[in-house]
Amino acid sequence: EVQLVESGGGLVQPGGSLRLSCAASGFTFSGYWMHWVRQDPGRGLVWVSRIKTDGSLTNYADSVKGRFTISRDNARNTLYLQMNSLRAEDTAVYYCAREGNGTPFGVWGQGTTVTVSS
Amino acid sequence: DIQMTQSPFTLSASVGDRVTITCRASQSISSWLAWYQQKPGKAPKLLIYKASSLESGVPSRFSGSVSGTEFTLTIRSLQPDDFATFYCQQYDSYPWTFGQGTKVEVK
Repeated sequence: EVQLVESGGGLVQPGGSLRLSCAASGFTFSGYWMHWVRQDPGRGLVWVSRIKTDGSLTNYADSVKGRFTISRDNARNTLYLQMNSLRAEDTAVYYCAREGNGTPFGVWGQGTTVTVSS
Repeated sequence: DIQMTQSPFTLSASVGDRVTITCRASQSISSWLAWYQQKPGKAPKLLIYKASSLESGVPSRFSGSVSGTEFTLTIRSLQPDDFATFYCQQYDSYPWTFGQGTKVEVK
């Protein structure tokens, strides 16, 4: 079964850091571009970042550029999102998602909640 | 960034109804448009990609179409399992962007 399982969310103070993980199974992880997407009640679904199959190319939304870093470990079938200098507006459910061949997000994880608050 | 404008924001319908949701892109995105269904507490689920291609396993009562920069999701005969929020998303250029969502609720 194709599956993505996120972890690492939690409550963090403004200015703090958090690292999210996304464990992939049931497919050849190294063959797919991977993404992070977040959702908050006020702004809906927002694309955050993407990474190429081998990790050689990454892109970020302007709102997180310079603060978040996406990475992957193909040997461990795991995607990461390192989040630094967190702000209240980063509060959201964070999903990892798999990009397909000609399709955008065909597989999603269940999401992990990040709350930035003092 | 490309803006995606969905309408309506909320739609009240009954089982068996034909339902239409519209999404307009602020500029040309060719057919690089996807539709998702999301239920409370769950991740979005891909229904349609490339404007009109049905994702594997999705019931055929769902269909998508395009006219210029206006995209339409149609549910031919609404079923009890279809009450949810639907989102469009463009993947023509980065950043990929989503519409604000359309909630289909029980009339």
